[in-house]
Amino acid sequence: GAVVSQHPSRVICKSGTSVKIECRSLDFQATTMFWYRQFPKKSLMLMATSNEGSKATYEQGVEKDKFLINHASLTLSTLTVTSAHPEDSSFYICSATADGGTFDTQYFGPGTRLTVL
Amino acid sequence: ELKVEQNPLFLSMQEGKNYTIYCNYSTTSDRLYWYRQDPGKSLESLFVLLSNGAVKQEGRLMASLDTKARLSTLHITAAVHDLSATYFCAVDSFFNDMRFGAGTRLTVKP
Repeated sequence: GAVVSQHPSRVICKSGTSVKIECRSLDFQATTMFWYRQFPKKSLMLMATSNEGSKATYEQGVEKDKFLINHASLTLSTLTVTSAHPEDSSFYICSATADGGTFDTQYFGPGTRLTVL
Repeated sequence: ELKVEQNPLFLSMQEGKNYTIYCNYSTTSDRLYWYRQDPGKSLESLFVLLSNGAVKQEGRLMASLDTKARLSTLHITAAVHDLSATYFCAVDSFFNDMRFGAGTRLTVKP
């Protein structure tokens, strides 16, 4: 089956630094990738929808300049948390979907646990 | 390691029929989630189940949780075409980040 990887799985950084999280589709081309964030004891929150070769579509309330999303190829999307602060500490998960056929479902990455000190 | 198994992976049913989707998980969990996903769309949160014996219902969907058996069910009553989608369960806990099941692709036929 389709596999989505995320890197790193865990990251600890100092306040004020930037952190890049990668989401890769390993055996299919992902025309669309979604980035979610999970707050403690809460369900997932959609942050943005990323389509290859175009600007990401951010959900209301998500700061575009803080959470930079790049979907430069059909197998890679990156989320960069700029000038991270402790309140950005969270679990970030991506999912990917391919274009039509049998791949109209989503495949989830294993997530990235970000801790900002 | 927290693992989540969902079955069936594919489900085709007639309108008006009932069916159940099962979600098993491997370790102690604090919360179990059910999501719906339409093709090409993001997840839509359906239910969050927090305790043993929890039951939640919304329209034709009812979710339950048995933490002792590490099992959650999503029951569909009198299915209609609009319920056609992929349904995911997900589990997390204090010690484990969220993990998803593989999803159940439901097709409701007239």
